[in-house]
Amino acid sequence: EVQLVESGGGLIQPGGSLRLSCAVSGFSVSSHYMSWVRQAPGKGLDWVSVIYSGGSTYYADSVQGRFTVSRDDSKNMLYLQMNSLRAEDTAVYYCAKEYSSGWYFDYWGQGTLVTVSS
Amino acid sequence: DIVMTQSPDSLAVSLGERATINCKSSQTVLHSSNNKNYLAWYQQKPGQPPKLLIYWASSRESGVPDRFSGSGSGTDFTLTISSLQAEDVAVYYCQQYYSIPPHTFGQGTKLEIK
Repeated sequence: EVQLVESGGGLIQPGGSLRLSCAVSGFSVSSHYMSWVRQAPGKGLDWVSVIYSGGSTYYADSVQGRFTVSRDDSKNMLYLQMNSLRAEDTAVYYCAKEYSSGWYFDYWGQGTLVTVSS
Repeated sequence: DIVMTQSPDSLAVSLGERATINCKSSQTVLHSSNNKNYLAWYQQKPGQPPKLLIYWASSRESGVPDRFSGSGSGTDFTLTISSLQAEDVAVYYCQQYYSIPPHTFGQGTKLEIK
């Protein structure tokens, strides 16, 4: 059974850092494209970042230079390191598996809430 | 980036009636090499993550009731629920995967019972 479980969210002051984790079971993160998608309170879905099976990474313009996506193949984990956090980064962050080579999202985690506030 | 625009923003439909949600992309998502539309639909209920309903614009994901159908090509797409059930109350999103990254989503359509 495929499962994605995010953790690491919480309340953080502006300018602070946080690392989100996504524990994956049922498939190997190293074999699939894995994304982070966020959703601000009461708002729509906003793609954040992807790591390809080959290791290439891409980011939304809004987080480029501040966020870093990575994975640990031995632990089957996905991570999102978030630095220089801003109030507008407040959102539920989902990890999601992309079907095949970067198509639609066939599995999603339950999400972890990040609140950036003083 | 491809911009996805959904209409309407919200919709109220009576139980058993048809619900129709539209999605328009700022450029074509039809790939000429395979004649496939790189367009998906998701359903999101309160407090839950999105759930994949439709991919390739009209292919239903396994386990999705057949009252859900997708249609359209190029830049204009439609999600139809043929007979609305109470459990279909949700926000629905379209997403293009033709030109990625970035994946881009529509703003969402909130579906309620009239």
